[in-house]
Amino acid sequence: DAGVTQSPTHLIKTRGQHVTLRCSPISGHKSVSWYQQVLGQGPQFIFQYYEKEERGRGNFPDRFSARQFPNYSSELNVNALLLGDSALYLCASSGPPQGLSTDTQYFGPGTRLTVL
Amino acid sequence: AQRVTQPEKLLSVFKGAPVELKCNYSYSGSPELFWYVQYSRQRLQLLLRHISRESIKGFTADLNKGETSFHLKKPFAQEEDSAMYYCALSDNNAGNMLTFGGGTRLMVKP
Repeated sequence: DAGVTQSPTHLIKTRGQHVTLRCSPISGHKSVSWYQQVLGQGPQFIFQYYEKEERGRGNFPDRFSARQFPNYSSELNVNALLLGDSALYLCASSGPPQGLSTDTQYFGPGTRLTVL
Repeated sequence: AQRVTQPEKLLSVFKGAPVELKCNYSYSGSPELFWYVQYSRQRLQLLLRHISRESIKGFTADLNKGETSFHLKKPFAQEEDSAMYYCALSDNNAGNMLTFGGGTRLMVKP
């Protein structure tokens, strides 16, 4: 298994454009989470999906949206891009929640988005 | 709201010296704490979690609820420990959402 994969690796957009980032989880994992990592900071939670349902949402504007497909892959969409959206976008997959214990999240390599 | 603080952006030590990377958190419930590590040109990966109570690559971390801390320690640093370290807290009331600290870059000099 190649682990969590993300595409594209790098992306350059201009302000006002729209972007779609893609993530394929580890085989057997049904949960996908998205994080934004601005340079010099830790990752910040955007969304989590489990079994195609949104289970959590971070403090991000409605310009950010996501969905999960029947094969458990996921897309993150960002509309009306701003300069401040420039960041590394990380996807993480995990198995189903195990009672009160958080299942380990496995991270992909990220997509580097630059907004000019 | 939960918050994770790593007060040191950079920690530089010599090989063989003890290492302590500090992590403090604020959380109203019963937290689950993690340390993630990112080596150069590699993806973010889990180093250890407090519920496992195990030592990974010589690193240990003890959850101190009184001081709301989860410091990462290693008695003798190795050059291969040089990496970016992130402390994270899980909010089980919001799925698997992880709240990360700002990270500490550990540099182990020969």
